[in-house]
Amino acid sequence: EVQLLESGGGLVQPGGSLRLSCAASGFTFSNYAMTWVRQAPGKGLEWVSAISGSGATTYSADSVKGRFTIARDNSKNTLYLQMNTLRAEDTAVYYCAKVEYDFWSGPTDYWGQGSLVTVSS
Amino acid sequence: EIVMTQSPATVSVSPGERATLSCRASQSVGSNLAWYQQKPGQAPRLLIYAASTRATGIPGRFSGSGSGTEFTLTISSLQSEDFAVYYCQQYTNRPPLTFGGGTKVEIK
Repeated sequence: EVQLLESGGGLVQPGGSLRLSCAASGFTFSNYAMTWVRQAPGKGLEWVSAISGSGATTYSADSVKGRFTIARDNSKNTLYLQMNTLRAEDTAVYYCAKVEYDFWSGPTDYWGQGSLVTVSS
Repeated sequence: EIVMTQSPATVSVSPGERATLSCRASQSVGSNLAWYQQKPGQAPRLLIYAASTRATGIPGRFSGSGSGTEFTLTISSLQSEDFAVYYCQQYTNRPPLTFGGGTKVEIK
């Protein structure tokens, strides 16, 4: 059974940093691209960043480029999102999701339960 | 950036009736289109990918159609568990990937 378990969310002040982790199990992690998607309170879905199975290819939304970094450790079956210089508008539930194949751009067939990040003073 | 526009924003349907949801892309995405269902407090669930292929375990009452810039999700006979918000997403190889604003299917 595929499982994705996010951790690392919480309350952080504007300008601060946070690192989200997503522990994956139930599939061969390195064979699949992974992605982060966020959802601000009461709003729709926003794609944040994606990474290929090897980690060699990454893409991010312009809204987070230069501030957020996606990475993965295939030896630990774990996906990361390093978030720096956080802003109030980054407040959202962050979902880790598995792409259906090993290409950064694809449909996401499994999602984690989400991790809430709140940026506020 | 490819803009995805969903309509209507909300649709009211009685159980057992058909619901038709639309999604339009600002430029062609070919068949690189997925549909997701999201219920309150839950993560999204993949329903349809490649515009018309049902994901694993998705009931046959869900069907997708379209290509290029115009897409449709049809729920042939709404069940109580189908009342939710539905999102379309394009996944061409030109970042960013983008979602539509969502359509809420509510009980009439």
